[in-house]
Amino acid sequence: DQQVKQNSPSLSVQEGRISILNCDYTNSMFDYFLWYKKYPAEGPTFLISISSIKDKNEDGRFTVFLNKSAKHLSLHIVPSQPGDSAVYFCAASSNDYKLSFGAGTTVTVRA
Amino acid sequence: DAGVIQSPRHEVTEMGQEVTLRCKPISGHDYLFWYRQTMMRGLELLIYFNNNVPIDDSGMPEDRFSAKMPNASFSTLKIQPSEPRDSAVYFCASSFFGGSSYNEQFFGPGTRLTVL
Repeated sequence: DQQVKQNSPSLSVQEGRISILNCDYTNSMFDYFLWYKKYPAEGPTFLISISSIKDKNEDGRFTVFLNKSAKHLSLHIVPSQPGDSAVYFCAASSNDYKLSFGAGTTVTVRA
Repeated sequence: DAGVIQSPRHEVTEMGQEVTLRCKPISGHDYLFWYRQTMMRGLELLIYFNNNVPIDDSGMPEDRFSAKMPNASFSTLKIQPSEPRDSAVYFCASSFFGGSSYNEQFFGPGTRLTVL
């Protein structure tokens, strides 16, 4: 039972433009959300997180938005750079130290 | 600082053989997690430890899988006997929660297991 869903398996964007990645969740107990980035042959690396008490968190080119009523979050990357080409995973936690991951979205940034 | 270290990076074995995957967490971290990544199921949590004690092993697929953490700097995930459907990338991750249950987890590079 997939509690975290990333319905877009891939995204292609031109360098310099905005990348928007979406994530939906079904478990209303989730109250902490993270995005991870993964390059081939490497482990996922933490990118940005947001607590359910906020609706936006920004870190440089990366911004995460949370819409609790819709059980939806999104990651915005502005501007997109070639080094951003990777797989992005959405993850969620419910105060039990465990993370539930989405299936991932492969982002390709075109020069 | 060294991150999470996993060995081997690649393992190819034959069905029925015992496989042992190893993990060294980041020093000072008090939680250790084992994940498995497959095309069909994505990244799924198998088991996690707190201060070397297994807390939740509900994700372990079956009795063929076992995990131990004999000390704060070492953990193993063992599959005996291995089957072709165990082929996947296995990740170890560690974290320090410091009294809060919310924090990022640091992942190792993974072990790619192929069971023939």
